[in-house]
Amino acid sequence: EIVMTQSPAILSVSPGERATLSCRTSQSVDNNLAWYQQKPGQAPRLLIYGASTRATGIPARFSGSGSGTEFTLTISSLQSEDFAVYYCQQYQTFGPGTKVEIK
Amino acid sequence: QVQLQESGPGLVKPSETLSLTCTVSGGSISSYYWTWIRQPAGKGLEYIGRIYTTGSTSYNPSFKSRVTMSLDTSNNQLSLKLSSVTAADTAVYYCATYRLGSCSGGYCLNWFDPWGQGIVVTVSS
Repeated sequence: EIVMTQSPAILSVSPGERATLSCRTSQSVDNNLAWYQQKPGQAPRLLIYGASTRATGIPARFSGSGSGTEFTLTISSLQSEDFAVYYCQQYQTFGPGTKVEIK
Repeated sequence: QVQLQESGPGLVKPSETLSLTCTVSGGSISSYYWTWIRQPAGKGLEYIGRIYTTGSTSYNPSFKSRVTMSLDTSNNQLSLKLSSVTAADTAVYYCATYRLGSCSGGYCLNWFDPWGQGIVVTVSS
């Protein structure tokens, strides 16, 4: 079973700043990695699939990169609506999440 | 645009069977894979299993002996049954579309989109 880790667990960022979130897998998953955003009381929303392809309607400030075992989600300039928990997912496994909070 | 909506009892007694339905609108259930995922309060996401339009299923081994998924194509619905529930099964349960992308080197891209809004299920006497 592939183990997924995300870092940091909590990321404190000021609006307008850049946020960089990391996801690592215990073995190579090629580019089979997706990212989701979840706000309190809401279902997760797909942001990125195939490690770097933005889902329909996702703003360009969200970008994904990486392959193999190391992946990154970058939010270029944080907006107020971006403060949330972010999960990575590979096949049937989700990472533990990174909470992006206001600094 | 496909939309999903979960429904079912919000309270289930220990040792009983949790039964949920997901109604799909804006698209046919006779396409794609469909999946159930759950999330205990304040915790992460846990994959339960998936079902294809043919009725073939694949379950997370953690649930395999207790879970049953099925499709009702006439009503465009999928269902989840989880037997012998305990307090540990208390969670928000989501249905979602299980998307498959290109395959290469033994890997097929997969992701979940869209999701239903979720339904809170509490296991308590």
